[in-house]
Amino acid sequence: DAKTTQPNSMESNEEEPVHLPCNHSTISGTDYIHWYRQLPSQGPEYVIHGLTSNVNNRMASLAIAEDRKSSTLILHRATLRDAAVYYCILRRGETSYDKVIFGPGTSLSVIP
Amino acid sequence: EAEVAQSPRYKITEKSQAVAFWCDPISGHATLYWYRQILGQGPELLVQFQDESVVDDSQLPKDRFSAERLKGVDSTLKIQPAELGDSAMYLCASSFHAPSDTQYFGPGTRLTVL
Repeated sequence: DAKTTQPNSMESNEEEPVHLPCNHSTISGTDYIHWYRQLPSQGPEYVIHGLTSNVNNRMASLAIAEDRKSSTLILHRATLRDAAVYYCILRRGETSYDKVIFGPGTSLSVIP
Repeated sequence: EAEVAQSPRYKITEKSQAVAFWCDPISGHATLYWYRQILGQGPELLVQFQDESVVDDSQLPKDRFSAERLKGVDSTLKIQPAELGDSAMYLCASSFHAPSDTQYFGPGTRLTVL
């Protein structure tokens, strides 16, 4: 079973901000929160990741709750190219092995 | 920018035939993953290599699937015999080393079994 839960789908208007939520109530202290997205007919691509503090990069921002049991991927201005399935996954930060589990993700539609 | 290469991009085969997929990870990446993705679902990990060693193949149907990474670089995933339910996208990904490292995915191989 996936360690994270996300809404199945979301809609956004073009050029509006989008907040994609992810719940991970069983997160452990060494788990990193990773976000990937998959455009139609392509392999997933990395978006952003974080441990405790909020993170920003050229693609998005990641806001992590203080208790780390949830996080939000923020796209500041949605474009039509952001229409994709967004996956939130947990990865253990230690060198010991952990199984990679992807859930069904959130399918984001962007309305022109 | 370095990319994960996969071939073929598309494969159509008849059930009971053998198929093979090839993956060339980004140079220097020790970890290699094979995933299967059924339409409408997230990728499911089939096998994970650390260099040439299998770290996890618990979800690999070993009666018909096999995977190898003989020299710790490129990898081959084989299905023999193929079944109708094997129709899916097969994705390869690689990462530098640690479990928390970013995974870089290839474009995938779309398999259709008739």
